[in-house]
Amino acid sequence: DAMVIQNPRYQVTQFGKPVTLSCSQTLNHNVMYWYQQKSSQAPKLLFHYYDKDFNNEADTPDNFQSRRPNTSFCFLDIRSPGLGDAAMYLCATSLISGHTDTQYFGPGTRLTVL
Amino acid sequence: DQQVKQNSPSLSVQEGRISILNCDYTNSMFDYFLWYKKYPAEGPTFLISISSIKDKNEDGRFTVFLNKSAKHLSLHIVPSQPGDSAVYFCAASAGTGFQKLVFGTGTRLLVSP
Repeated sequence: DAMVIQNPRYQVTQFGKPVTLSCSQTLNHNVMYWYQQKSSQAPKLLFHYYDKDFNNEADTPDNFQSRRPNTSFCFLDIRSPGLGDAAMYLCATSLISGHTDTQYFGPGTRLTVL
Repeated sequence: DQQVKQNSPSLSVQEGRISILNCDYTNSMFDYFLWYKKYPAEGPTFLISISSIKDKNEDGRFTVFLNKSAKHLSLHIVPSQPGDSAVYFCAASAGTGFQKLVFGTGTRLLVSP
């Protein structure tokens, strides 16, 4: 089945220790997104790649970076995680064709910062 | 500014009855609306969508209604099943090409047997 895969599902890191979360997709979608979601809140878009073009949201901290080495993979790097970065990180993909933009989400990575 | 609002944080319904989840938006430029369902410890799953050229879209037990004049949409689940218990997010976007999805804060639905 075509899908969006995130690894790991759970990640524990120490305060200030860099961490990388990964996302892969078999949908061949041209857009990949990273969201941060905290409890009882709406998912918050951090950035997205439209093909190779990186688009950062204005309020995304510099601590968060992303890489998309090819169509299938996208990484989220948190350079110096703080306690406030503990959250669920969601990867999503979509295929921009015409008007609609249905995003398909992976299962998420739950990040704990000690 | 919360452009997409889900004012009911939770809803409890008995199995077999209708569940109605509501969503209001403020941006008149929104023209595409989606509902996502999220189980604990999983990512949101796309459920159903509606374009602003329609006022109703149906998929099995799920129907979304759009009232553009009131800037309101609702998701009806009939009949509700215990497996429908989850958090439901409403989302909206505007324009063509790449559009940023704006999400509501979600409504937790509990369907009891």
